Amino acid sequence: DQQVKQNSPSLSVQEGRISILNCDYTNSMFDYFLWYKKYPAEGPTFLISISSIKDKNEDGRFTVFLNKSAKHLSLHIVPSQPGDSAVYFCAASGRRGYQKVTFGTGTKLQVIP
Amino acid sequence: ETGVTQSPTHLIKTRGQQVTLRCSSQSGHNTVSWYQQALGQGPQFIFQYYREEENGRGNFPPRFSGLQFPNYSSELNVNALELDDSALYLCASSLEVLSEQFFGPGTRLTVL
Repeated sequence: DQQVKQNSPSLSVQEGRISILNCDYTNSMFDYFLWYKKYPAEGPTFLISISSIKDKNEDGRFTVFLNKSAKHLSLHIVPSQPGDSAVYFCAASGRRGYQKVTFGTGTKLQVIP
Repeated sequence: ETGVTQSPTHLIKTRGQQVTLRCSSQSGHNTVSWYQQALGQGPQFIFQYYREEENGRGNFPPRFSGLQFPNYSSELNVNALELDDSALYLCASSLEVLSEQFFGPGTRLTVL
């Protein structure tokens, strides 16, 4: 049972344009949502997070939006840069923290120069 | 400050064997979590150790076990290996249970 779903396995975007990565979840007990970025041969690195009490969190070029009623979140990268090319994982946990984090299957983003 | 390291990088075992994977956490991090990432999937939580005690477990059978040591190192042991155990195994350390996790590069296990 995939509780966190990333339905787009891959995404290609032109450099300078906006990248939008989407994520859906089914478990209403999830309270905290995270995005991780993973380069080949490296472990995932934390990118940005959002608590269920918020609907938007911004950090530089990265913004995460949360729609609780739709159980949907999205990551916006503006402007996209070639160095952003990586696999992005959406993840969720049951409380503000990092216990038993449930990951999605990932979206491979390619930013074309 | 060194990051999270894991050894070995790659490992090949045969079905039925036992394997031990190692992780060295960042200094001062008293929490370590282990994840299994099968091909084309996201990391799946195996268990977490806090101050050398198991502090939560995912949906994995008892043949997956772990240890955490006072020197910030930890082990993941898998007995009676099955073909489906072939995956990338990631460890992640954090300062406390509810703190940000820092991942190692993983160990690629292949079971033949």
